[in-house]
Amino acid sequence: DAGVIQSPRHEVTEMGQEVTLRCKPISGHDYLFWYRQTMMRGLELLIYFNNNVPIDDSGMPEDRFSAKMPNASFSTLKIQPSEPRDSAVYFCASSPPSGTDTQYFGPGTRLTVL
Amino acid sequence: AQSVTQLGSHVSVSEGALVLLRCNYSSSVPPYLFWYVQYPNQGLQLLLKYTSAATLVKGINGFEAEFKKSETSFHLTKPSAHMSDAAEYFCAVSVAFGNEKLTFGTGTRLTIIP
Repeated sequence: DAGVIQSPRHEVTEMGQEVTLRCKPISGHDYLFWYRQTMMRGLELLIYFNNNVPIDDSGMPEDRFSAKMPNASFSTLKIQPSEPRDSAVYFCASSPPSGTDTQYFGPGTRLTVL
Repeated sequence: AQSVTQLGSHVSVSEGALVLLRCNYSSSVPPYLFWYVQYPNQGLQLLLKYTSAATLVKGINGFEAEFKKSETSFHLTKPSAHMSDAAEYFCAVSVAFGNEKLTFGTGTRLTIIP
């Protein structure tokens, strides 16, 4: 089992550029979560999907953030335009169909916006 | 809404000493409770979880936690600390019966003194 795969692992970009983070969940998991981790705010849930459908996006900070899950094996988190305050580590996690079960986290993408 | 409070953002213990990391929860319905560990530059990994079965839960790496409803606590313990236990530890709560969202605490950084 490869685990949750995230790419890129590190991203450095300039303010105003578009950033796309990618996630491949564990096969057979039908829940997918996007989190952001910063020193100031800790670990925040941004959005989660069930069976490719967004269930709760109340954590998405503003319209510059968008997430999609076109199929069961791929999701993207896009920031357009990016700002320095978006610098953080972004984690993707997936969970099996039983719902309130273990979430399996990817290694994260460290985003730096200059 | 559910929440968790982790007492102590930093804890230091000597190698071989008892590890005690504190977590208190707030939930209007029976909770599911989790402890996750995050090693440097890695994603979160599940240590153990309580899902209304036995109140004393054993996890990986010799850790265990006891659910105490009367104290609304779910403290994490390990009898003898090892250098490899140095990491950040997160307590999390979800509401049973279908709520997929985890609410994480702010984390406790554990340092092991040789």
